[in-house]
Amino acid sequence: QKEVEQNSGPLSVPEGAIASLNCTYSDRGSQSFFWYRQYSGKSPELIMSIYSNGDKEDGRFTAQLNKASQYVSLLIRDSQPSDSATYLCAAGPRDSSYKLIFGSGTRLLVRP
Amino acid sequence: IAGITQAPTSQILAAGRRMTLRCTQDMRHNAMYWYRQDLGLGLRLIHYSNTAGTTGKGEVPDGYSVSRANTDDFPLTLASAVPSQTSVYFCASSDSGEDTGELFFGEGSRLTVL
Repeated sequence: QKEVEQNSGPLSVPEGAIASLNCTYSDRGSQSFFWYRQYSGKSPELIMSIYSNGDKEDGRFTAQLNKASQYVSLLIRDSQPSDSATYLCAAGPRDSSYKLIFGSGTRLLVRP
Repeated sequence: IAGITQAPTSQILAAGRRMTLRCTQDMRHNAMYWYRQDLGLGLRLIHYSNTAGTTGKGEVPDGYSVSRANTDDFPLTLASAVPSQTSVYFCASSDSGEDTGELFFGEGSRLTVL
């Protein structure tokens, strides 16, 4: 069974620190990877997508992909209390890019 | 406001009753999805449609049906609700091609089956 694994947390970091969120996936054929942010009681929203090995930066967010290790991470620099949310990692299988597999999410708490 | 509209936002339903959750998008996306979210289990795909007129099964399709008569609408029907279908249901849409996976979600429908 294809799986995406995340530590449920909570991950607690002080304001201004770097938050590092990690995710592993079991399907070696996965081609696309996504990070979604979900505030409590709200719907998920896409914050990063990554398709190639290496780093991808967008503002304070950096996604990192290592296909050999089947590992995806999200770094949040200068963390703010408003970043406190659950972060969902998702992987797109090669056999059907429509069938994203989501992890159960990591809860991030940024302490003022 | 462009986006995805789901209805109802919340519903309490007796077991055995039929229920349809409605979803409409105005972004002209080809693909649409229904997910359920349960505590500790994350988002699980119920059904999807990659274009109007076609649908496919996701990870947890049993007890649910969908139709895609046009681009904008993608209703989810529970023919005979059971308590295990108590969940938060999210409709989502995306472009096709390499942007598939970049999902836009509706606000969710919280369903309680008693």
